[in-house]
Amino acid sequence: DSGVTQTPKHLITATGQRVTLRCSPRSGDLSVYWYQQSLDQGLQFLIQYYNGEERAKGNILERFSAQQFPDLHSELNLSSLELGDSALYFCASSVAPGIYEQYFGPGTRLTVT
Amino acid sequence: DQQVKQNSPSLSVQEGRISILNCDYTNSMFDYFLWYKKYPAEGPTFLISISSIKDKNEDGRFTVFLNKSAKHLSLHIVPSQPGDSAVYFCAASHPNQAGTALIFGKGTTLSVSS
Repeated sequence: DSGVTQTPKHLITATGQRVTLRCSPRSGDLSVYWYQQSLDQGLQFLIQYYNGEERAKGNILERFSAQQFPDLHSELNLSSLELGDSALYFCASSVAPGIYEQYFGPGTRLTVT
Repeated sequence: DQQVKQNSPSLSVQEGRISILNCDYTNSMFDYFLWYKKYPAEGPTFLISISSIKDKNEDGRFTVFLNKSAKHLSLHIVPSQPGDSAVYFCAASHPNQAGTALIFGKGTTLSVSS
């Protein structure tokens, strides 16, 4: 158990809908990362937050957004969902941005029908 | 453009023997490398890491070797155990990259038979 929690574990929704994925980092970790794992692309970095502020953006679509709250939990919002958004979404956390070791949650499996 | 490549999708090894997983990278700015292990229905688990100022790092049965001139790293598992059967991901990062996002390879599935 990495100490990173993610909810929900599974999510099934229809195209065009909006969903919110939630992540709580390990106790003491200030930085949160979101990754997407699809079948053909492997793990792709989406976005990073540190202490409530956006730190870095990767291959995140404009339909996707995230935020980190004062209690350090983070939410990833996916809107206008398309079939291709079906994937595993992982949250990871680290103590601080300069620390490379990241600890991953169990993931949320999103299925868009 | 894939900056981190794991060219072997799978590897089969007998229990007790050595497992060698390979990883190549193209970005010479990478200065930190990590290996993660992933079981089905779980998130990746951090295994071992190495800074570019070193060429070897050991942790129990796991050793990572880094060859900067060849832009190549490898993970050695000795002795291999059936519980090591999982997908292994190589990852890299560098300080000039925005934040400390990790760039992952596509993984190698290791199967250890008893």
